Amino acid sequence: EAQVTQNPRYLITVTGKKLTVTCSQNMNHEYMSWYRQDPGLGLRQIYYSMNVEVTDKGDVPEGYKVSRKEKRNFPLILESPSPNQTSLYFCASSFLKGVANTGELFFGEGSRLTVL
Amino acid sequence: DAKTTQPTSMDCAEGRAANLPCNHSTISGNEYVYWYRQIHSQGPQYIIHGLKNNETNEMASLIITEDRKSSTLILPHATLRDTAVYYCIVRVVSTGKLIFGQGTTLQVKP
Repeated sequence: EAQVTQNPRYLITVTGKKLTVTCSQNMNHEYMSWYRQDPGLGLRQIYYSMNVEVTDKGDVPEGYKVSRKEKRNFPLILESPSPNQTSLYFCASSFLKGVANTGELFFGEGSRLTVL
Repeated sequence: DAKTTQPTSMDCAEGRAANLPCNHSTISGNEYVYWYRQIHSQGPQYIIHGLKNNETNEMASLIITEDRKSSTLILPHATLRDTAVYYCIVRVVSTGKLIFGQGTTLQVKP
């Protein structure tokens, strides 16, 4: 089944304790991206990647890191989480090239992160 | 990417057509119009997209004006399960940045 898988789905942590949210897709998509969603602010893009070893900042990259060492994985790293990073996070992926490229974004189920 | 403007909320009676408008007056020639919806806090779900021609699939129809400055998503027979936030997005398919606006909260009522 084609899917985008995020882990963990729920996490409560404390300020300053490094954490990683994993994202994996099984559709051979070139493009992957992370969003955060906060009440009243909608979905905001954090980082995106057009291909392996190619990443770029979205609209709200501060406090986050990403890496794209393999095509299927795009982890989101919070080196020193703070309470303002409490949010619902979504990973998404899509094709960018070829006849399969409709631009349709496939989203994961979301990861709800609470930083105390 | 161009910005989009949508009404904050709309109501629709169950079984009737829901028409959701979107303004994208600064759209460029190579930008597509996409529609997604988000039910509760689930991941957004793709509905439909188009460049300049009207499009239809099993979920909805997309009507794009001739000047491409606005579009309308049509859910032909809305059900209670169509209650969701609907996002209109314009995007160049080959680029990465993709901006979600505030969306329209559609409430389908019995």
